[in-house]
Amino acid sequence: NAGVTQTPKFRVLKTGQSMTLLCAQDMNHEYMYWYRQDPGMGLRLIHYSVGEGTTAKGEVPDGYNVSRLKKQNFLLGLESAAPSQTSVYFCASSYVEEGSFNEQFFGPGTRLTVL
Amino acid sequence: RKEVEQDPGPFNVPEGATVAFNCTYSNSASQSFFWYRQDCRKEPKLLMSVYSSGNEDGRFTAQLNRASQYISLLIRDSKLSDSATYLCVAEGGSYIPTFGRGTSLIVHP
Repeated sequence: NAGVTQTPKFRVLKTGQSMTLLCAQDMNHEYMYWYRQDPGMGLRLIHYSVGEGTTAKGEVPDGYNVSRLKKQNFLLGLESAAPSQTSVYFCASSYVEEGSFNEQFFGPGTRLTVL
Repeated sequence: RKEVEQDPGPFNVPEGATVAFNCTYSNSASQSFFWYRQDCRKEPKLLMSVYSSGNEDGRFTAQLNRASQYISLLIRDSKLSDSATYLCVAEGGSYIPTFGRGTSLIVHP
């Protein structure tokens, strides 16, 4: 099992460019999440999904869009990148068992720089 | 105010020391709690779940105090390899976890 994978690992964009980050998981998890992590800020939730075809806003959704067309994939889009979106982006997946929330499994991260 | 709060540290301790971290959460409806470990520039990884009765895994012990709404992590006999950032997590309903900003631990020889 690959677990959670993220593509790409690194990217440099110019202001105004667009890009899509791909997250894939092979554990059949219902829940998937996108976070950004900045120095001193911890992990902040951007968007999340509770199942195929569903998405919802997290703590810092502005400037991002997401889609979950397939259960195993969760895409994060930046339509017009800004320097404030320079960050490390982590994807995670999780599952619920007998009503209890379980651990999240994280991808290795995407390091994005917007010039 | 952040829903999950941790002392950012750094906690600077010698090898062999015992160190404890506390974390407070504001959502009394929180049901699931975790400690994650994050090494520099890497993804967080689960260290241990925190159960109501407390739990121990080798040198690590986690406790939950629902009345005071805090969880703790105790590390005994610290190793150099324990140096990392420790993230406290509380799941407050709807299966959306909230992360603390992390506590930095540096173990020196």
